[in-house]
Amino acid sequence: EAQVTQNPRYLITVTGKKLTVTCSQNMNHEYMSWYRQDPGLGLRQIYYSMNVEVTDKGDVPEGYKVSRKEKRNFPLILESPSPNQTSLYFCASSLSSLSEAFFGQGTRLTVV
Amino acid sequence: AQKITQTQPGMFVQEKEAVTLDCTYDTSDQSYGLFWYKQPSSGEMIFLIYQGSYDEQNATEGRYSLNFQKARKSANLVISASQLGDSAMYFCAMREIQGAQKLVFGQGTRLTINP
Repeated sequence: EAQVTQNPRYLITVTGKKLTVTCSQNMNHEYMSWYRQDPGLGLRQIYYSMNVEVTDKGDVPEGYKVSRKEKRNFPLILESPSPNQTSLYFCASSLSSLSEAFFGQGTRLTVV
Repeated sequence: AQKITQTQPGMFVQEKEAVTLDCTYDTSDQSYGLFWYKQPSSGEMIFLIYQGSYDEQNATEGRYSLNFQKARKSANLVISASQLGDSAMYFCAMREIQGAQKLVFGQGTRLTINP
């Protein structure tokens, strides 16, 4: 089954404790992105990648890192999480710029 | 810069009625794609329908159709014969063919279907 898999689905952590949210797709898509969704602000892009070893900042990259060492994986790293990074995070992949994005199930992160 | 506007924060519709969710967009690019996603209360993002800027025909997918009016920069979603399971948040999104490859989303419309 074609899918984007994110883990974990839910995470509660403390300020400053490094964490990684994993994202994997099995559709051989070149494009992958991370978004965060906040009430009243909608979904905003954090980082994106157009291919292996090619990543770039989206609209809200501060406090996040990503890597794309393999085509299928695109982890999101929070080196020192802060409470303002409490949000619902989505990973997405697409075949091309004009094809639909397939989203992961979402990761609900709470930083206390 | 790309921008999506959804002017209806919430809509209430009787079951089996058709419903139109509004979406207007702003872009200076000639090549772009328009998308609609559904987000039920469980939180996942479900792709519904896509319209390319050069497509002459309005897109349709089952009960979903996209009323694309390019000159007005409008891409309204029409759901025919609404069902209780259609109750959800609906997001309009756009992606330009150039640049950051990001989907820019509207604020969403919460649709509630009443029995």
